[in-house]
Amino acid sequence: NAGVMQNPRHLVRRRGQEARLRCSPMKGHSHVYWYRQLPEEGLKFMVYLQKENIIDESGMPKERFSAEFPKEGPSILRIQQVVRGDSAAYFCASSPVTRREQFFGPGTRLTVL
Amino acid sequence: QQQVKQSPQSLIVQKGGISIINCAYENTAFDYFPWYQQFPGKGPALLIAIRPDVSEKKEGRFTISFNKSAKQFSLHIMDSQPGDSATYFCAARNTGNQFYFGTGTSLTVIP
Repeated sequence: NAGVMQNPRHLVRRRGQEARLRCSPMKGHSHVYWYRQLPEEGLKFMVYLQKENIIDESGMPKERFSAEFPKEGPSILRIQQVVRGDSAAYFCASSPVTRREQFFGPGTRLTVL
Repeated sequence: QQQVKQSPQSLIVQKGGISIINCAYENTAFDYFPWYQQFPGKGPALLIAIRPDVSEKKEGRFTISFNKSAKQFSLHIMDSQPGDSATYFCAARNTGNQFYFGTGTSLTVIP
């Protein structure tokens, strides 16, 4: 059973470009969570999605950030018009049902030049 | 506002020693407290977890001690090994299934 997959593992963007981060949950998992990790800091919750639904986006910046988890395909975290402050590691986690352990992917390290 | 406060920020322990990492929380609605281990360039991996109706949980060399009245919980790593060198995060989950993480402890075990 493959773990949580994230791609790309590393992403370099120039200021103003768009970044698309993908997350494929573990097989049988229908809940996806996105976190951001800045250097020397812990994980900050961004958004919690179930298939085709956003359950909780209270941690997501109101502008430039969006997330989706379509019926088919991976979950996508989209950052429009990236700025240097968006440089961070973005982790995705999945769980089979609510209120169960989360399993993390390897992360996408975004660098904004 | 940091919902879960973790200390120390870094820890150096001799091989064979005991590593202790502490976390404190305020929200009494938290109902699940996991610890994650993260190696450089990797995602966090669940290490051990505890629910508030239990005061201690042990898995191999790893033990969580939980003090509900003090709203504190800690991770103890017995017989610490160089391979345990990693960053450790405590976390707490609320009833809305949202997880709050501590800021992490960088553990170095010296051979």
